[in-house]
Amino acid sequence: DSGVTQTPKHLITATGQRVTLRCSPRSGDLSVYWYQQSLDQGLQFLIQYYNGEERAKGNILERFSAQQFPDLHSELNLSSLELGDSALYFCASSTGGARGFTGDTQYFGPGTRLTVL
Amino acid sequence: GEDVEQSLFLSVREGDSSVINCTYTDSSSTYLYWYKQEPGAGLQLLTYIFSNMDMKQDQRLTVLLNKKDKHLSLRIADTQTGDSAIYFCAEKDYKLSFGAGTTVTVRA
Repeated sequence: DSGVTQTPKHLITATGQRVTLRCSPRSGDLSVYWYQQSLDQGLQFLIQYYNGEERAKGNILERFSAQQFPDLHSELNLSSLELGDSALYFCASSTGGARGFTGDTQYFGPGTRLTVL
Repeated sequence: GEDVEQSLFLSVREGDSSVINCTYTDSSSTYLYWYKQEPGAGLQLLTYIFSNMDMKQDQRLTVLLNKKDKHLSLRIADTQTGDSAIYFCAEKDYKLSFGAGTTVTVRA
């Protein structure tokens, strides 16, 4: 158990809908990262938050957004869902993540499996 | 940009050693990681190596880093059936860039 929790574990929805995925980082970790794992794209970095602020963006679609709350949990919002958004979405957390700091290890949650029908 | 490459499949007999290879492109990566993913599960951190090291050993796991060739390998000694999984190599600047994963199948 990494200490990172994600809910829900599974989510099934229809095209055009909007969903919210939730992540609670390990106790004491300030950074939250979101990754998408799909069969065709592999594991892709989406976005990072550090202590409530967006720190880095990767291959995140404009239909997707995220935020990190004062209690450090994070939510990933996916809207106007398409079939191709079906994937496993992972959250990871780390202690640091300040700009320029690369020395901390990311621990992953169990993931949320999203199926868009 | 970053590009991490791994072979896709490895079949190994139980009790033998497994060697999973990885190449990366970002020479500024300070840490390189190995993660394990079992079916239906999340990513489990196995081990990592700092870029100024050549080797790191952790129980049955040995990581070798050839920085000149940007080549990373993971050796699993005495491979067990529980080692069957997908193994991901990743390089890190502020984010992790993963390879496609190597599916390791352990046969009796």
